[in-house]
Amino acid sequence: GNSVTQMEGPVTLSEEAFLTINCTYTATGYPSLFWYVQYPGEGLQLLLKATKADDKGSNKGFEATYRKETTSFHLEKGSVQVSDSAVYFCALSDTTGGSYIPTFGRGTSLIVHP
Amino acid sequence: EPEVTQTPSHQVTQMGQEVILRCVPISNHLYFYWYRQILGQKVEFLVSFYNNEISEKSEIFDDQFSVERPDGSNFTLKIRSTKLEDSAMYFCASSEALGRNTGELFFGEGSRLTVL
Repeated sequence: GNSVTQMEGPVTLSEEAFLTINCTYTATGYPSLFWYVQYPGEGLQLLLKATKADDKGSNKGFEATYRKETTSFHLEKGSVQVSDSAVYFCALSDTTGGSYIPTFGRGTSLIVHP
Repeated sequence: EPEVTQTPSHQVTQMGQEVILRCVPISNHLYFYWYRQILGQKVEFLVSFYNNEISEKSEIFDDQFSVERPDGSNFTLKIRSTKLEDSAMYFCASSEALGRNTGELFFGEGSRLTVL
């Protein structure tokens, strides 16, 4: 079946540090990959996505590259801000069996200190 | 900006009681979903709903669960007889379409259910 594995948090960084949140996936088909973010008191919202191998999704300074050979979609940001403190969810959507229902990981909490 | 709203934000109930969680999806969206997240675990899919019927459900969504769209705006999740293991954050989501290149679900803030 489909699954997503994320690194455990919390990830604690100082402002302007480099961020990597690891995500690997297992899928029977050829999935689309997503990162969602949940800011405190809000719902999950789509941050970026990639639909095929070697695609790079990017938004708000965050990037993730779809790596089929390593089944990974790691989230990176060059210089984090306090306002990036949130929970980040990796997800995939696979068409195998005709279902596009996204499968999510457990989320990784990011805490950025001034 | 349109958003998905959920009520209540937190509900505490006794084991065996019925609980109804309510959601108002974005008005022009056609697909509705419930997910849940037990503390420290993955966000798990429960059910999707389209055209006034369940389109897909997971193994978690057993006979204790039901969903309804009673009035064209609300989308509810009912748990008939709650168990301790139902304690979780329940997320409602909606989407315009269902397809490979969309995948964008719009989520509410979640309803935290605590079963004592």
